[in-house]
Amino acid sequence: AQSVTQPDIHITVSEGASLELRCNYSYGATPYLFWYVQSPGQGLQLLLKYFSGDTLVQGIKGFEAEFKRSQSSFNLRKPSVHWSDAAEYFCAVDNQAGTALIFGKGTTLSVSS
Amino acid sequence: EAGVAQSPRYKIIEKRQSVAFWCNPISGHATLYWYQQILGQGPKLLIQFQNNGVVDDSQLPKDRFSAERLKGVDSTLKIQPAKLEDSAVYLCASSGGRSAFFGQGTRLTVV
Repeated sequence: AQSVTQPDIHITVSEGASLELRCNYSYGATPYLFWYVQSPGQGLQLLLKYFSGDTLVQGIKGFEAEFKRSQSSFNLRKPSVHWSDAAEYFCAVDNQAGTALIFGKGTTLSVSS
Repeated sequence: EAGVAQSPRYKIIEKRQSVAFWCNPISGHATLYWYQQILGQGPKLLIQFQNNGVVDDSQLPKDRFSAERLKGVDSTLKIQPAKLEDSAVYLCASSGGRSAFFGQGTRLTVV
């Protein structure tokens, strides 16, 4: 069965510092991969997605993610974090068979000044 | 373009009562999902519709949960009777292709 692992439950980063959130997936083939962000009391907003092609994908709000097939990973990065980036981040996979997304448990990002 | 609309935003009920949530997807999106998000966890699929047909309801507790999508547009999710463990955020999402877009969710508290 497919699964998504986000190893870090909570990360604190200083404002202006770089960020990397980890995501590993378990699936036989290459799935579609997504990162969503959820601010308190809000729904999930799509940050970026990978379907095929260039393994480095750019998203909104200055985020990027790199797909590494050999490591079954799709880590999210941002070179300089802003206080407004504090939120919960979810990695998700889609097995391309028309089924629904499977989510990781999320990583809570805190930004310190 | 309008996003996915959900109502109500918040609901508090007593256990054994019933509750219903409503979702209006993005216009033209054939696929609609209901997810349950318990505090501290990622969203978990309850049911997936393609137009007005059910694609996947394997994780829907059918003894108490029901959902419908009449005319292949908006959808309602009902819980009857509610249990304490149903306290969660219920998220509706829709998709017209490869990406799913989410509503703001309904936060249900069962006391």
